[in-house]
Amino acid sequence: SQQGEEDPQALSIQEGENATMNCSYKTSINNLQWYRQNSGRGLVHLILIRSNEREKHSGRLRVTLDTSKKSSSLLITASRAADTASYFCATRSLSNFGNEKLTFGTGTRLTIIP
Amino acid sequence: GAGVSQSPSNKVTEKGKDVELRCDPISGHTALYWYRQSLGQGLEFLIYFQGNSAPDKSGLPSDRFSAERTGGSVSTLTIQRTQQEDSAVYLCASSSTSGEYNEQFFGPGTRLTVL
Repeated sequence: SQQGEEDPQALSIQEGENATMNCSYKTSINNLQWYRQNSGRGLVHLILIRSNEREKHSGRLRVTLDTSKKSSSLLITASRAADTASYFCATRSLSNFGNEKLTFGTGTRLTIIP
Repeated sequence: GAGVSQSPSNKVTEKGKDVELRCDPISGHTALYWYRQSLGQGLEFLIYFQGNSAPDKSGLPSDRFSAERTGGSVSTLTIQRTQQEDSAVYLCASSSTSGEYNEQFFGPGTRLTVL
C-alpha cells in the first residue's frame, strides 16, 4: 500500500501562476524526494530534502518539509506549459531487510493551461 | 552513457500466458528496483536487487511473480499465468549505491495489458 498521499489529486492552473502540491506520509524517514512523470512513463528525479532540512530550492522549485506534521510541499513558480505532468513524492526509509526503500505517493496530476 | 532501458515498451497478452519483461540498468549501477504502476496510481515497490541477489522481495504480489538478475546487470521480471489485474506499467530503476542518497534513474517502463 502507498504511504504517501498527495494533495490535490489534480490541479489545473494558468501558465505563469504558481503551483503548490502537498504530500503527507506516515512513518519516520531519512529523506523525501519529489519526482515528475510525463505521460505515465519513466520518472525523473527533481529534488531531495533530508529529514533535518526544512526548505530547499532548485531553480523554480521550492520544497518544504515538516517532520512534526509528516508533510512536504512542492512549489513550482512561474509555471510553464512544459510543467504539465504528474508529480510524486517518495519517502526513503530502511526496509526490514536492511536495504533502502522508496515509498511513493499517489501523485498529483498538474495541468498548465497556456 | 545510455540510461535505463526496458523492453518491450508495450506487451499485450492473453490471460493465463506467461510474460517476461526486461530491464537494462545503467552500466555500473549495482542496485536495481522493479515497480508496478496501475492506472492513475502511484508506484508500488516489487523487488530490489543488490548485485545479483534480491534481499528484498517483499513487494512481489504473488508467487506468479519472480525476477532474476544475471551478471550484476540485466534483470528479467517474469509473470506466470497472467491475470487481468496484472495489467499495469512496470518500471525499472537503477542506482549506483544504496546509501543515504541514491538517486534512482528510471526506465521508460513496459505497459502490460492482459486481455
